[in-house]
Formats: sequence, C-alpha cells, structure tokens
Amino acid sequence: QQKVQQSPESLIVPEGGMASLNCTSSDRNVDYFWWYRQHSGKSPKMLMSIFSNGEKEEGRFTVHLNKASLHTSLHIRDSQPSDSALYLCAARDYNQGKLIFGQGTKLSIKP
Amino acid sequence: DTTVKQNPRYKLARVGKPVNLICSQTMNHDTMYWYQKKPNQAPKLLLFYYDKILNREADTFEKFQSSRPNNSFCSLYIGSAGLEYSAMYLCASKRWGYEQYFGPGTRLTVL
Repeated sequence: QQKVQQSPESLIVPEGGMASLNCTSSDRNVDYFWWYRQHSGKSPKMLMSIFSNGEKEEGRFTVHLNKASLHTSLHIRDSQPSDSALYLCAARDYNQGKLIFGQGTKLSIKP
Repeated sequence: DTTVKQNPRYKLARVGKPVNLICSQTMNHDTMYWYQKKPNQAPKLLLFYYDKILNREADTFEKFQSSRPNNSFCSLYIGSAGLEYSAMYLCASKRWGYEQYFGPGTRLTVL
C-alpha cells in the first residue's frame, strides 16, 4: 500500500484552464510536503513546498495543506502547455528524515 | 550552481554482471540519496548518505551497495544485476532541512 497517494493518476486540462492535483499521506509521521515537477526526460524539480496549515501562492501555482488530514493539493490556474509534466508529491517522515513520494499525477495541457 | 550530475545517463547491463553508477554535486550538500524509479511508480528510496554515514532501506539492504569517498561523490553499486533492476536511478542531494536537488538520472536496462 502506497503511503503517499496522489489523485488523479492522469489529468487532461485545456489550455487556460485550472488543474487541481491531490495528495494524501496515510503515514502519520509526516510533517512537511513538497511538490516536484518532472518534465519528460528531465529530472524532478521542486515546484513548491508547504510546511504549515493553510495556503501558499506563487504566481499561477497555489498549494493547500491540511495537517489534520495530511492532505495537500496543488492548483495551477491559466494552465500552459509547458505545465504538461509528471507532478510528484513528497512528504517528509520526521522520524527518519526522509521523503516519501507518491506515484505522481501526469498532467497534460491541451492547446 | 545547483547541479547534480549523474554518469552514465544510459547503461546497458547483462544479467549477473555488476553495475556501478556515479553521482556528483558541488553544492557541499551533506546528504546524498539514491532512488529507483519505475514507470507509473513512486520513486523508491534505496539508500542515503548523511555525511559519511550510510543508511540503507531494509527491503533493499542486500541488493545495493554505495560508497562516498568524499563530500561531492556518491556511487551506487549492484553486484549482480537482475532483470528487475531495469529502472531509472535518480540521485539527489540536499543540505539538512532544505529541498532535495535531483540529477538527470541513469536509465539502466538489464538484458
């Protein structure tokens, strides 16, 4: 059983639309969350991090965190074709100091 | 420079033969990680070095070895490759408490 679950597995959004990605940890020993983006053939790059309850916005990207439910979501507004990528969610296991990754959401933005 | 380098980028190996993958970073990061990623699966942590201390995951303990001769370099060694080792191997590094930076990966194919 995957400890960090992401949904949906894949998502198609029209250009200019809103993309919403979800991530939940079933492991209670996590505290911080990161979102990574991996374009095809490239290495994962950190997109956003969130450590506290609430919302954080950077440009077209907004991330939410609910620590009680260990759920985070990433929202991309005005989606662009260049946003097409695999989005990986990672949670920090604070006991072991390591990241636990989800399996990713494959986002495709259709022009 | 936030670059993590990996060599080789592609590796073809025969079943039963050894494989050695190399990772380097010049950011003076204290921690270096090796992940295995297969299609449609989450990156799986294999092991990591914190300074000179090696931590190997329990379920991959016997399958992978590593060495870190200095702060900048870290290797991943497979003594006898099996078909199930075919995957993308990602190296990452970080300073304590900060984000992980990933390399471009080595795609290993075992035949």
